[in-house]
Amino acid sequence: QSVLTQPPSASGTPGQRVTISCSGSSSNIGGNSVNWYQQLPGAAPKLLIYTNTQRPSGVPDRFSGSKSGASASLAISGLQSEDEADYYCAAWDDSLNGHYVFGTGTKVTVL
Amino acid sequence: QLHLQQSGPGLLKPSETLSLTCYVSGDSVNSNSYYWGWIRQPPGKGLEWIVSIYNSGNVYYRPSLKSRVTTSVDASRNQFSLKLRSVTAADTAVYYCFGVRAVAGDQDFWGQGTLVTVSS
Repeated sequence: QSVLTQPPSASGTPGQRVTISCSGSSSNIGGNSVNWYQQLPGAAPKLLIYTNTQRPSGVPDRFSGSKSGASASLAISGLQSEDEADYYCAAWDDSLNGHYVFGTGTKVTVL
Repeated sequence: QLHLQQSGPGLLKPSETLSLTCYVSGDSVNSNSYYWGWIRQPPGKGLEWIVSIYNSGNVYYRPSLKSRVTTSVDASRNQFSLKLRSVTAADTAVYYCFGVRAVAGDQDFWGQGTLVTVSS
């Protein structure tokens, strides 16, 4: 069972801004950095944001991440049809000898 | 650029051992530039991290799977492997291997995924 909670779904029309929240605790997000992954249908996940706010090379700047306390957010500005995918937050958790945890996942639909 | 290619059976019976291998091309599996690991995704569900393997020798496991998981790195074949013992239907999932650029953590590479079904 995931310890990082995300809304199951989010949606918007092309061009809109969509925000996805990720709620954790002091043992994970509160004390460690957050990564975000995008998983297109039928594909492996792909790193979208690392270390809370950084974009890997090639990721459009319409994707941005933020973190405050034990919560984090992913924002997609100027939503495009190709952004329709599942999005997962993730962080290291210091409990139980340390382990990585994914969020519950959010399905983004472009209306 | 790394390329990861997975191999292993897709159908197991309950109590058998799942065995998957991830062949790495583009760099050495012993390179300190990367760490390696496995995740899985049950059908229609979210991502579950299984294990991360560091070339320092440190290995970190999903707590609920630690007692059943074994990993290995074979530098001569440039591959790393996952074994999961005593599988049940709950282990049915698509399994992915991954490599992440160490230190910066700014780049990841993934295998193509293997659907492993556990059924009698």
